[in-house]
Amino acid sequence: EAGVAQSPRYKIIEKRQSVAFWCNPISGHATLYWYQQILGQGPKLLIQFQNNGVVDDSQLPKDRFSAERLKGVDSTLKIQPAKLEDSAVYLCASSRDGYEQYFGPGTRLTVT
Amino acid sequence: AQSVTQPDIHITVSEGASLELRCNYSYGATPYLFWYVQSPGQGLQLLLKYFSGDTLVQGIKGFEAEFKRSQSSFNLRKPSVHWSDAAEYFCAVVVTGTASKLTFGTGTRLQVTL
Repeated sequence: EAGVAQSPRYKIIEKRQSVAFWCNPISGHATLYWYQQILGQGPKLLIQFQNNGVVDDSQLPKDRFSAERLKGVDSTLKIQPAKLEDSAVYLCASSRDGYEQYFGPGTRLTVT
Repeated sequence: AQSVTQPDIHITVSEGASLELRCNYSYGATPYLFWYVQSPGQGLQLLLKYFSGDTLVQGIKGFEAEFKRSQSSFNLRKPSVHWSDAAEYFCAVVVTGTASKLTFGTGTRLQVTL
């Protein structure tokens, strides 16, 4: 079974620029998550989708972050405009049962 | 509010020595408990999980963990550490009955000396 795919793996941008990350979950997994992991910390949930509906986006900075999951499969996370404090690893995860989550390799974002 | 505490930020052990990583949680309800491992530049890999039943659970790579309700703990153990076990280890919990929100601890970085 193929794992969770993410791209790009690395991205360097200047502050105030925009950036987008892509995630393809494991086939058949209805639930998809985006996490932000700042260096030295555990991952923090940004948004959770159930199929293509949002279940929890309480920690998503909605003034600059947006996410969508069209057709209940792939998902994109966008930041516009980026700030220095957005430098982090962005992890995508998916789950079949809503409890056991499988993570992708992540995208390391550096904002200069 | 739910919280997960990993009191050890950094641990160093010699290859072949035993390992125990501590995890404590704070909840009113019964949680589901997980341990994940993250190697440098990689995503998180699930080592093991506890939902119910036998409080000693076996995972991949020779790891095990014991759930102790009285101590609100879920410590990870390995009898003999290999150099390839050097990584960051995260304890995480999901409170049953809620949307499946994983709450992570801050992690413990394991260094293995040869």
